[in-house]
Amino acid sequence: NAGVTQTPKFQVLKTGQSMTLQCAQDMNHNSMYWYRQDPGMGLRLIYYSASEGTTDKGEVPNGYNVSRLNKREFSLRLESAAPSQTSVYFCASSRDRVVTEAFFGQGTRLTVV
Amino acid sequence: DAKTTQPNSMESNEEEPVHLPCNHSTISGTDYIHWYRQLPSQGPEYVIHGLTSNVNNRMASLAIAEDRKSSTLILHRATLRDAAVYYCILRDVRDSNYQLIWGAGTKLIIKP
Repeated sequence: NAGVTQTPKFQVLKTGQSMTLQCAQDMNHNSMYWYRQDPGMGLRLIYYSASEGTTDKGEVPNGYNVSRLNKREFSLRLESAAPSQTSVYFCASSRDRVVTEAFFGQGTRLTVV
Repeated sequence: DAKTTQPNSMESNEEEPVHLPCNHSTISGTDYIHWYRQLPSQGPEYVIHGLTSNVNNRMASLAIAEDRKSSTLILHRATLRDAAVYYCILRDVRDSNYQLIWGAGTKLIIKP
């Protein structure tokens, strides 16, 4: 079972470059999320999509944009990368947004130099 | 948002039970208690969740105090594979978004 798949696994960007992190889930889940995790910290929500066609800001949305391409895919875009965006990014999905378990991808380790 | 307090780290011996505590003194009546764990270099993994009653599943048990101001995650027989950071998180079902507020968690060290 693939679950939640993120690409790429590692990426190094120069300040000012742009890139898109891809996420896909094969569990027919309605809700999808993007989190970032800085060293020694818990996860912080960047954006989420409660259902196909909707997206909303989380705790730390500045510097990011998202697209819910279809029910399976939810991408995160950095338009102009900054060193402060160096982090590990996790995509997650859940059946709905109420009280169900979330499934996480393996993460994308992004370094901005 | 109600917050949780967990010890930074705990050690346990392999094949012994582990009790991971979590304090949440400002919990509201609509807050569910979630536990996730994160193995090294992996994404978080759901462990268990509950509201008022104790809960059991194949991975662990969740014991919730009667006043709900604290809870304990119980791993009945720890293995080396259980070494991870364990997060205790509150989730208010009234929230219009799905926002899990993550703390720093408890790093569980299992000694062979």
